[in-house]
Amino acid sequence: AQKVTQAQTEISVVEKEDVTLDCVYETRDTTYYLFWYKQPPSGELVFLIRRNSFDEQNEISGRYSWNFQKSTSSFNFTITASQVVDSAVYFCALSEAHTSGGSYIPTFGRGTSLIVHP
Amino acid sequence: DGGITQSPKYLFRKEGQNVTLSCEQNLNHDAMYWYRQDPGQGLRLIYYSQIVNDFQKGDIAEGYSVSREKKESFPLTVTSAQKNPTAFYLCASGPGTGQGSNQPQHFGDGTRLSIL
Repeated sequence: AQKVTQAQTEISVVEKEDVTLDCVYETRDTTYYLFWYKQPPSGELVFLIRRNSFDEQNEISGRYSWNFQKSTSSFNFTITASQVVDSAVYFCALSEAHTSGGSYIPTFGRGTSLIVHP
Repeated sequence: DGGITQSPKYLFRKEGQNVTLSCEQNLNHDAMYWYRQDPGQGLRLIYYSQIVNDFQKGDIAEGYSVSREKKESFPLTVTSAQKNPTAFYLCASGPGTGQGSNQPQHFGDGTRLSIL
């Protein structure tokens, strides 16, 4: 069965600090996909990034970067020079390509609440 | 703009009352999902539907019911059997079976349900 663990429940930083949100996953599938979503106070989950299991290249998008390491089953998310607008709950999710019955049901972590203080 | 619309944004339920949360999408997605979010619990799957006129129970389906008569619509009814309905409810959609495992889900703004 697939599982996603976000061990950090809440992180509090001061603006301009760098912060890393951890995500550890478990899966028996050889093909899978990992996602990060942001949930601002408005409530809607916003998709940030997808990574497939065959692509371990790290990715950078502005102040955001992602570090995917299959050896440690981790897909960590770093925000550089954090800003107050980054305050949100961040979810990591896993989707297996070969689930039983062919259903596409992603598994979400419990989320990490990031609070950025001015 | 394409997206998912949930209504109402806030809903109050009296004891013994059933209430229905609306979810509409114009993304032409086959699959739709309902999640419940409680503080510190993450997202828990209530029901999902991969195709019109078919739906499956998720992890916490007791006390809830759904219908999928149209591709665009997936309403969720919180019945009086759900003894602790106070939560934030999120509807999502995606491409569905066979095509969907590598695609992100699209989410609505959510409905916050409280007990009067």
